[in-house]
Amino acid sequence: AQKITQTQPGMFVQEKEAVTLDCTYDTSDPSYGLFWYKQPSSGEMIFLIYQGSYDQQNATEGRYSLNFQKARKSANLVISASQLGDSAMYFCAMSAHGSGNTGKLIFGQGTTLQVKP
Amino acid sequence: DTAVSQTPKYLVTQMGNDKSIKCEQNLGHDTMYWYKQDSKKFLKIMFSYNNKELIINETVPNRFSPKSPDKAHLNLHINSLELGDSAVYFCASSQDGRLSYEQYFGPGTRLTVT
Repeated sequence: AQKITQTQPGMFVQEKEAVTLDCTYDTSDPSYGLFWYKQPSSGEMIFLIYQGSYDQQNATEGRYSLNFQKARKSANLVISASQLGDSAMYFCAMSAHGSGNTGKLIFGQGTTLQVKP
Repeated sequence: DTAVSQTPKYLVTQMGNDKSIKCEQNLGHDTMYWYKQDSKKFLKIMFSYNNKELIINETVPNRFSPKSPDKAHLNLHINSLELGDSAVYFCASSQDGRLSYEQYFGPGTRLTVT
């Protein structure tokens, strides 16, 4: 069975500092994708970054980078130079493409990040 | 330009009523989804359509029926609403559900059943 685990219910970070949000996953499929989404208090789901299971390099998108460690089955999100607007809930998600999966996203429990001024 | 739109944004109704939520995407994507986010913020897939064909139907009560008139639209009809149906329902779309493309979410519909 596929599973995503986010063990940090809440995190604090000082403005301008970097923060790492943890995510571990479990799947037996060799081909899968890992995603991070941001959900601010306004409620919308914002796509941040994607990592494919066969990608050799860690994904980066602006201040976001994904620390992908395949052997450890972890896909941590690193936010550099935190800003007040980064305060939100962050979800790690996985899609797998074994039989019957067809791209559905399986989400972790989420981590609430608060950036302090 | 709104990529994935949902109507209504808020829906308050009484137990036993029937209601619908509409979703439209203008991204030209082939695959659309419905997710439910419960009061603890946990997100779970409900349904997925690829080119108007149902491809995912998770263990959702029969009271929930999705309909896709064309690949740009995916509606969700709920019969005999129950208190436990109160949640935020998100529509999403992706270029091709068979591969790992990112999914773009609508703004969500907050359903409150009283």
